[in-house]
Amino acid sequence: EAGVAQSPRYKIIEKRQSVAFWCNPISGHATLYWYQQILGQGPKLLIQFQNNGVVDDSQLPKDRFSAERLKGVDSTLKIQPAKLEDSAVYLCASSLLDNYGYTFGSGTRLTVV
Amino acid sequence: KNQVEQSPQSLIILEGKNCTLQCNYTVSPFSNLRWYKQDTGRGPVSLTIMTFSENTKSNGRYTATLDADTKQSSLHITASQLSDSASYICVVSVSSGTYKYIFGTGTRLKVLA
Repeated sequence: EAGVAQSPRYKIIEKRQSVAFWCNPISGHATLYWYQQILGQGPKLLIQFQNNGVVDDSQLPKDRFSAERLKGVDSTLKIQPAKLEDSAVYLCASSLLDNYGYTFGSGTRLTVV
Repeated sequence: KNQVEQSPQSLIILEGKNCTLQCNYTVSPFSNLRWYKQDTGRGPVSLTIMTFSENTKSNGRYTATLDADTKQSSLHITASQLSDSASYICVVSVSSGTYKYIFGTGTRLKVLA
């Protein structure tokens, strides 16, 4: 079974530039999560989708972050404009509706300089 | 407030030795508890998952225990290897309509030759 795919693997951008991350969840997984993990900390949930609807985006900095999951499958997370404090690993995870199969991707390491 | 606390924050052991990591949680309503291994800059990889009725689960040299009464879990690593050097994260799932995951801040384990 293919896992959660994320790209790019690494990204370095200058502050005030924009960046986008892509996630393809495990086939059949209705729930998709984006997390931000700053070095030395646990993952922080940014947004949770169920199919193509948003379940929880309470911790998403909506002035600069946006995410979509148009067809209920893959998803993109965008940051515009980026700040230095956005440097982190961005993790995507997916699961079945009943919580089973909760699996993480390898993450995208973002460095903002 | 839903919280997951892990101890110790970091740990250094010699190769071949055993160690035990702790996780205490105050989460309601509890669904399951997972232990993940996370290498630096990578996504977390699942080691074990336990529901309310399970009190022990093994995965190779990793053995997790769960005491639902005291709301404590431990992860025991036997005969440690250099490749065990990583962060170990305890994640508790809450079921309230949709599933949410409460992350501990992790224990950073370093195994020395």
